[in-house]
Amino acid sequence: DAKTTQPPSMDCAEGRAANLPCNHSTISGNEYVYWYRQIHSQGPQYIIHGLKNNETNEMASLIITEDRKSSTLILPHATLRDTAVYYCIVRVNNDMRFGAGTRLTVKP
Amino acid sequence: GAGVSQTPSNKVTEKGKYVELRCDPISGHTALYWYRQSLGQGPEFLIYFQGTGAADDSGLPNDRFFAVRPEGSVSTLKIQRTERGDSAVYLCASSLSNFETQYFGPGTRLLVL
Repeated sequence: DAKTTQPPSMDCAEGRAANLPCNHSTISGNEYVYWYRQIHSQGPQYIIHGLKNNETNEMASLIITEDRKSSTLILPHATLRDTAVYYCIVRVNNDMRFGAGTRLTVKP
Repeated sequence: GAGVSQTPSNKVTEKGKYVELRCDPISGHTALYWYRQSLGQGPEFLIYFQGTGAADDSGLPNDRFFAVRPEGSVSTLKIQRTERGDSAVYLCASSLSNFETQYFGPGTRLLVL
């Protein structure tokens, strides 16, 4: 199964872009990259997903490298409410394999 | 619209007791998933239902854990002879169909004393 590697923690200044990296060097051609986040004491919240092309929605942008071995989640204007643990997941069948994620702290 | 709901939000029980945790998926979602999350870790897959049948129960840790979804909507996760190590947040998710995006509920926090 493809695994993901994320930094354990990151800080970001409020109003600035938060760029969260993820390595998935063993990803297979038909596996999607999903991003979720989990704010303290809540269930994981879906953010975005992609296969090959870059994706953007109202929450974030997802940049996937051409070789698909890594990706970056971009929160364009981070707010204090974006403080959470962010999970990068390579989807294997129907179960989502969560790692430890990146704890993003947005500071005023 | 309404998201995934889970009841109870918190459950405290004693070692050896039986517990049931309920999940109400998003209306119209045919796929339902259960995960378990221990403190400081990411969610861990337990079981997946497509309709009424358990399509994949490979994540259930042992035979004390069982889940049902008799009418293809609400699901119940059942834990027999609870142990202190079962203490965790139990998360439920649903998706429109298999391989679609999963949406999570708020979880049930289980504490076994």
